Amino acid sequence: EADIYQTPRYLVIGTGKKITLECSQTMGHDKMYWYQQDPGMELHLIHYSYGVNSTEKGDLSSESTVSRIRTEHFPLTLESARPSHTSQYLCASSGTRSSNYGYTFGSGTRLTVV
Amino acid sequence: AQTVTQSQPEMSVQEAETVTLSCTYDTSESDYYLFWYKQPPSRQMILVIRQEAYKQQNATENRFSVNFQKAAKSFSLKISDSQLGDAAMYFCALRQGAQKLVFGQGTRLTINP
Repeated sequence: EADIYQTPRYLVIGTGKKITLECSQTMGHDKMYWYQQDPGMELHLIHYSYGVNSTEKGDLSSESTVSRIRTEHFPLTLESARPSHTSQYLCASSGTRSSNYGYTFGSGTRLTVV
Repeated sequence: AQTVTQSQPEMSVQEAETVTLSCTYDTSESDYYLFWYKQPPSRQMILVIRQEAYKQQNATENRFSVNFQKAAKSFSLKISDSQLGDAAMYFCALRQGAQKLVFGQGTRLTINP
C-alpha cells in the first residue's frame, strides 16, 4: 500500500547529539515537506522540496537541514540537538497529479532533547 | 498572501449531536482548493474533505459536510451524529494550484459521551 513513513516514531536524545529523522514515501510524489508542530498544535513549514536535488527553507526558520537525493527519501538532520528542538516533526508529500487532493502525511516523529 | 484563520481553538459536543467548525481564508486567486484535515491524538493526519473553489455544490463525505461561501471566504465543517472517534485536532487548509498548503491554527474537538 502506497504511504509515507517516518522513523523513529519517538526519540529522546541528549543535547549536542547529531540526529537524522527519516521520511520515505512510496507514491512517487515529487513534492515533499517537513513541518514542525508546536505544543499548541499549530503547524510550521520548515523545509520543502519540489524534486530531486531541490530543497528550500520554509516559513519558520530552523537550524535543521534536509537533502533530497532520491525522489522517495527526504531526511531531516540536526547537527547538534538542543532542548529548543523538542517538538513533533511531520513529513508530508504531494504529487503533481494529486495536487488537488492535498498532502499525505506521515505519522510524525516526536523528538525530545534532554 | 494567502491566510487561513480558525477562530475556535477548542470546541466540544455531545456524542450523536452536530457540531460546526469555522474557517475563514483570504486569497487573491479565483481558482483554489480548500481542505479539512483531522489529526487524532498521537496518530497520523488524514484528509477529511476537500472543496474545489469553482464548484458551487458543497462537498459531502458521509457524516462530514462543508458550507462553502466563496464570496464571504468562509469554509466551515459540519460533523453530524458526532462519534467518540471524531475527537481530534481539525485543520483547515488552502491551496492555490501547485503551491504549498496554508494551514489554519487548528481547532481541538472534544466529544462528550
